[in-house]
Amino acid sequence: DQQVKQNSPSLSVQEGRISILNCDYTNSMFDYFLWYKKYPAEGPTFLISISSIKDKNEDGRFTVFLNKSAKHLSLHIVPSQPGDSAVYFCAASDNNNDMRFGAGTRLTVKP
Amino acid sequence: ETGVTQSPTHLIKTRGQQVTLRCSSQSGHNTVSWYQQALGQGPQFIFQYYREEENGRGNFPPRFSGLQFPNYSSELNVNALELDDSALYLCASSPTTGVQFFGPGTRLTVL
Repeated sequence: DQQVKQNSPSLSVQEGRISILNCDYTNSMFDYFLWYKKYPAEGPTFLISISSIKDKNEDGRFTVFLNKSAKHLSLHIVPSQPGDSAVYFCAASDNNNDMRFGAGTRLTVKP
Repeated sequence: ETGVTQSPTHLIKTRGQQVTLRCSSQSGHNTVSWYQQALGQGPQFIFQYYREEENGRGNFPPRFSGLQFPNYSSELNVNALELDDSALYLCASSPTTGVQFFGPGTRLTVL
């Protein structure tokens, strides 16, 4: 069962514009959500997280929004930079030991 | 402070063989999780160890087993390898609660 879904396998944006990556989940018990980015030949790198008691968390150019009623979260990157080009994974957990990942979205930022 | 390391980086085995993958946790982390990432998919949770005890398991058969040692390093053992076991195996360490930090992974190919 795929409890975390990233329906867009790829996204291409122009440098300087906003990148919006989306993620949907089905398990209402999830209370902690994370975004990781992955470069080729490397493990996923933690980017930003949000707990279910918040609806927004911001860290520099990265902002994560959580809509619990819609079971939807999104990652906004603004302004996008070519170095942001990577695969982005959304992850969710309800107890920190069983973290479920989406299939990933490949972001390409064009100069 | 050293990050999460994994060995080997690549491995080729044949069907029916057994394999052991190794992981060294980030300093100060007492929890380690293992994930399998097949091509084009997100990481799938295999199991987690906390202070040398299994602390949660995903939907993987018993031929996937693990160990965590007193220094919090860890092993993933897979018996009776099947072709579908070919994947990137990721280890992640974390404090008791908190963000999981991933190693670079071991690429296993089963022929």
